[in-house]
Amino acid sequence: AQSVTQPDIHITVSEGASLELRCNYSYGATPYLFWYVQSPGQGLQLLLKYFSGDTLVQGIKGFEAEFKRSQSSFNLRKPSVHWSDAAEYFCAVGARNTGTASKLTFGTGTRLQVTL
Amino acid sequence: EAQVTQNPRYLITVTGKKLTVTCSQNMNHEYMSWYRQDPGLGLRQIYYSMNVEVTDKGDVPEGYKVSRKEKRNFPLILESPSPNQTSLYFCASSKAGSMQETQYFGPGTRLLVL
Repeated sequence: AQSVTQPDIHITVSEGASLELRCNYSYGATPYLFWYVQSPGQGLQLLLKYFSGDTLVQGIKGFEAEFKRSQSSFNLRKPSVHWSDAAEYFCAVGARNTGTASKLTFGTGTRLQVTL
Repeated sequence: EAQVTQNPRYLITVTGKKLTVTCSQNMNHEYMSWYRQDPGLGLRQIYYSMNVEVTDKGDVPEGYKVSRKEKRNFPLILESPSPNQTSLYFCASSKAGSMQETQYFGPGTRLLVL
């Protein structure tokens, strides 16, 4: 069974500073990997996803993530954080078996606070 | 506009009083799913449906029921709610058969069981 670990529960960064949110996964093969963002009172919005190919993935809102197979990681980055980026971020892994083709396993989330 | 809608958005109820949370999508998606979100636990899947009349348990199905009589609707039923079902619930949908299809989430339903 797959699992996801987000080691940072809460991160605070200053507006304009760079950001990296960590995500480690456990899965027997190359997984599908996702980052979602949840703004206060909102549902989850997909930021980016990795399936195969280029290990550096570009997403919406200026975010990117890099898949590192050797480290079982899929860290999310942004070079310059905006106050509107304050939200909760979830990493998720999806299995490639077709039996539960769309089952996502989520991490526990990282809450990002942005100071002005 | 493509969307997943949930009703109600907020609900306060008492232990044992049956309730239904509705979920509807307008994207003709085959796959629909229910998650609950609890602090420190992230999102956990309750039930999912690959298509009409096809449903299966997720990771935390105890105390919940679902049905899929129409493609667009996937209601979540709590026959006898208990306080440990106080949570934030999300419905999601996507095209079935491929993890490469994006899952779209509803806005959430916050449930308090007294």
